[in-house]
Amino acid sequence: DVKVTQSSRYLVKRTGEKVFLECVQDMDHENMFWYRQDPGLGLRLIYFSYDVKMKEKGDIPEGYSVSREKKERFSLILESASTNQTSMYLCASERAVQNEKLFFGSGTQLSVL
Amino acid sequence: GESVGLHLPTLSVQEGDNSIINCAYSNSASDYFIWYKQESGKGPQFIIDIRSNMDKRQGQRVTVLLNKTVKHLSLQIAATQPGDSAVYFCAETPTGGGNKLTFGTGTQLKVEL
Repeated sequence: DVKVTQSSRYLVKRTGEKVFLECVQDMDHENMFWYRQDPGLGLRLIYFSYDVKMKEKGDIPEGYSVSREKKERFSLILESASTNQTSMYLCASERAVQNEKLFFGSGTQLSVL
Repeated sequence: GESVGLHLPTLSVQEGDNSIINCAYSNSASDYFIWYKQESGKGPQFIIDIRSNMDKRQGQRVTVLLNKTVKHLSLQIAATQPGDSAVYFCAETPTGGGNKLTFGTGTQLKVEL
């Protein structure tokens, strides 16, 4: 089975801190994604990557950046955390095939105080 | 995806009854649709998918129906069980969308014993 592992289940950070959320997948998937999930808003795409060192903005990239130095790892970076970035963050991966289903990690609940 | 709202729609069903969860989409170019199930504390898991050249697809205890005329998607769960309690999301992507899924806001399914 595909496994998408997010390094932290819960994180508490202070406003202004730099925050790193790590995601690793073990099935050699080309595509990786970062979403945030908020009540009533569903899942919104922050950034995605189709290859190593490649990144593209999703629907809500402001305040975030990403890094993909290795195929299996996709990191989400909050340069200066703010309270409105308190959310559930979900990482996902898939093969680079048209209409392929996403495999999700268990999520990281981030609270910014 | 579904219309955005502040509250998660809830569907309550009796154990053993059939459940029908609905989703409306707006993009006429959408050609691939997926249903995900998210249990409490977990990431979304793939349930079933359907392409726009089909109007029905069946899985194990689940059926997805697609009505492209009215841009409507539904998930039917037969003989609903307590383990089916979760939030269900529909997602869609258009032709050439590069596998970027747009998610609905989700429906909370509660199974009453």
